[in-house]
Amino acid sequence: SQKIEQNSEALNIQEGKTATLTCNYTNYSPAYLQWYRQDPGRGPVFLLLIRENEKEKRKERLKVTFDTTLKQSLFHITASQPADSATYLCALDGDSGYALNFGKGTSLLVTP
Amino acid sequence: ETGVTQTPRHLVMGMTNKKSLKCEQHLGHNAMYWYKQSAKKPLELMFVYSLEERVENNSVPSRFSPECPNSSHLFLHLHTLQPEDSALYLCASSQVVSNEGVEQFFGPGTRLTVL
Repeated sequence: SQKIEQNSEALNIQEGKTATLTCNYTNYSPAYLQWYRQDPGRGPVFLLLIRENEKEKRKERLKVTFDTTLKQSLFHITASQPADSATYLCALDGDSGYALNFGKGTSLLVTP
Repeated sequence: ETGVTQTPRHLVMGMTNKKSLKCEQHLGHNAMYWYKQSAKKPLELMFVYSLEERVENNSVPSRFSPECPNSSHLFLHLHTLQPEDSALYLCASSQVVSNEGVEQFFGPGTRLTVL
């Protein structure tokens, strides 16, 4: 069955460092992969989308890579700030063109 | 109002009650979604509507009944729920074009507690 796995443990890093979050998938051939941020008690907020034919995408301090051979995406936040503390969700396209399948998310804590 | 709104934000109900969750999107999108988010579990897709027609229904118990009267409004009717249905219910919308991947815009969610 299709499976999406994200870092199982929470990630604690110091302000100013680069945070790297991992999303691995099995039994999937996704056309694209998305990353969302979710704060406690709030809905997820879209951050970046990367397509299967793209290796890397950047947006301000965010960088996403997509390796379809390794079946893995890495999500980087450079020069991290305490305001970056949140849960980050990886999502892959579902069977139809509509739905997304989400991972459980990785909780990131950036300390001053 | 902008974006995706959901009401109520919090709901406590007994197992014999009937209630409805409401979602409204102000983005002109053509698809709307209901997700369930339980603690320590990934978001679970419940229903997808495109152009007011249900296009996905992921084996959700019949005690959850969706309704999409138009492209801007989505309801989730709740009846005879169980305590394990307590969760954050999220509504989302997107503009689907030719099955291409597009971002989804989420509402703030309704925190449901079933006693």
